[in-house]
Amino acid sequence: NAGVTQTPKFQVLKTGQSMTLQCAQDMNHEYMSWYRQDPGMGLRLIHYSVGAGITDQGEVPNGYNVSRSTTEDFPLRLLSAAPSQTSVYFCASSYSSGRTGELFFGEGSRLTVL
Amino acid sequence: QQQVKQSPQSLIVQKGGISIINCAYENTAFDYFPWYQQFPGKGPALLIAIRPDVSEKKEGRFTISFNKSAKQFSLHIMDSQPGDSATYFCAAKAAGNKLTFGGGTRVLVKP
Repeated sequence: NAGVTQTPKFQVLKTGQSMTLQCAQDMNHEYMSWYRQDPGMGLRLIHYSVGAGITDQGEVPNGYNVSRSTTEDFPLRLLSAAPSQTSVYFCASSYSSGRTGELFFGEGSRLTVL
Repeated sequence: QQQVKQSPQSLIVQKGGISIINCAYENTAFDYFPWYQQFPGKGPALLIAIRPDVSEKKEGRFTISFNKSAKQFSLHIMDSQPGDSATYFCAAKAAGNKLTFGGGTRVLVKP
């Protein structure tokens, strides 16, 4: 029972490079989202999707791109990495009808931008 | 600006003691208030959640107290154990499943 799988777990980039963080879930969840976690700031929503083909911006979307071609996958693209994007990134999913605010999180991807 | 403010940033409690974490929110459109627990190197996991029309919810040693008029809620960890040492996040849910998180509290329970 894999749940939410994120790859890679660690990545070091140079300023200006691009990369994609992968996220896959096997729970048939309609809702998927990306958060970044920074010390003292909790988790902040980057982008989210309520189903295949539908995406929307969260609180801190600048510098990131997403797409949702399948129910299972929700990749996050960094277009031109900047040191301010050094963070731990979490993908999370849930049923759209969930009332309790229960999101299922992956184990995170730690990104360092030099 | 942070819509959900959490305090303290860290706390140390002796085994068997009570840990108390407080949160305040501004947006009255929030419709559910979950708490998440995160261990090092892991993603957050739902611990307990409360609806805004309920003043208290208890699950085992964990209790949420909710004050709608003050727009505040808190997590109490009774009989704290070393295994409770983790970072705790309060959150508030808006329409859909969009969560706004507090800044987190690192709890250390000393044996």
